[in-house]
Amino acid sequence: QSVLTQPPSVSAAPGQKVTISCSGSSSNIGNNYVSWYQQLPGTAPKLLIYENNKRPSGIPDRFSGSKSGTSATLGITGLQTGDEADYYCGTWDSSLSALFGGGTKLTVL
Amino acid sequence: QVQLVQSGAEVKKPGASVKVSCKVSGYTLTELSMHWVRQAPGKGLEWMGGFDPEDGETIYAQKFQGRVTMTEDTSTDTAYMELSSLRSEDTAVYYCATVFIAAGTSSSFFDYWGQGTLVTVSS
Repeated sequence: QSVLTQPPSVSAAPGQKVTISCSGSSSNIGNNYVSWYQQLPGTAPKLLIYENNKRPSGIPDRFSGSKSGTSATLGITGLQTGDEADYYCGTWDSSLSALFGGGTKLTVL
Repeated sequence: QVQLVQSGAEVKKPGASVKVSCKVSGYTLTELSMHWVRQAPGKGLEWMGGFDPEDGETIYAQKFQGRVTMTEDTSTDTAYMELSSLRSEDTAVYYCATVFIAAGTSSSFFDYWGQGTLVTVSS
């Protein structure tokens, strides 16, 4: 059971928009930045969003992040079949331990 | 650009130990904060521990304390993670990953990942 709560799965049609939520508490998300990671099947996770809403070089602006209080959200617009992956939110807690959400499997119908 | 190349898959018996390596290129290990994350089959990501440059110490997740040791060989820019007293629940892919820490802020995140090392624990 992860400290950060994500929906197990989300789905949407190609071209549509989807959002993935990540819920935590004041001891983690509430007082720290949130990052998001994309894990394509059979590969290592890849940084998608950092500092709540910033994209590393090379990440298209179809991907966005936001944070409010003790929750964060990843948004993906213009869905493509290549976006099918597991998505994880991440942050830190007050004891300097890294935390990950349980992961959300995105299916592009 | 940081590149992390991990050692190959391992099969171990219960009770044994495993040592996974992570070779750094593009930067020196002393410039990086190296961490380890594992992923059991079909499960999510689980942080095991990593180097805290603020105090120069390695922090371990409470779950693994006493059973995991993370070391670094700066002469070869290679990080190691050794897990002892293995049990079947330790079967997982183990990743090394660097944590970027923005100076003067509380921002830190996993920016580069190794390709993963599958460790199978089976009798």
